[in-house]
Amino acid sequence: AQSVAQPEDQVNVAEGNPLTVKCTYSVSGNPYLFWYVQYPNRGLQFLLKYITGDNLVKGSYGFEAEFNKSQTSFHLKKPSALVSDSALYFCAVRGGSQGNLIFGKGTKLSVKP
Amino acid sequence: DAGVIQSPRHEVTEMGQEVTLRCKPISGHNSLFWYRQTMMRGLELLIYFNNNVPIDDSGMPEDRFSAKMPNASFSTLKIQPSEPRDSAVYFCASSLGQGKNTDTQYFGPGTRLTVL
Repeated sequence: AQSVAQPEDQVNVAEGNPLTVKCTYSVSGNPYLFWYVQYPNRGLQFLLKYITGDNLVKGSYGFEAEFNKSQTSFHLKKPSALVSDSALYFCAVRGGSQGNLIFGKGTKLSVKP
Repeated sequence: DAGVIQSPRHEVTEMGQEVTLRCKPISGHNSLFWYRQTMMRGLELLIYFNNNVPIDDSGMPEDRFSAKMPNASFSTLKIQPSEPRDSAVYFCASSLGQGKNTDTQYFGPGTRLTVL
């Protein structure tokens, strides 16, 4: 069965520092991986996804994610964090041919000035 | 495009009452998903539709929950009777299709349900 794991409940970063939010996956077949962000009292917003090709995927708001097949990871990164990046981040994997997604439990990112 | 539209945004009801949540997907999208989010359980997929047909409702917690999609532009999630443990934020999402290039889901703003 497809699954993702987000090992950190919370990540704390100082503004201007690089940030990483971790995600590992378990799939049968080729992984299709996603990152979403949720700001307080809002729905989830799509950030980026990996289907195939370049292992470094660039997305919205300056975020990028690195696909690593050997480590079965898909970590979200940003070179310089902003206070406005503070939110809940979800990693997801495509569950099957019907297009459903399986989400991780989420990681709360807190960026302090 | 207005995005996925959900109504109401907030609903407060008493235990035992019927609750109906509504969703209008993005025009042209063929897949629709209902999720529930709570602090304890995180984000849970309840049910999803492709071309108005329910594909997987294994996430629906009990028979008290039902969902319909009578046409491509409207879906409802009904809880009857409601219970306090149903209190959560319910999200609707839609995607263009099922293919790997069309399966990005776009979420509505959610309905915050409180059952007293």
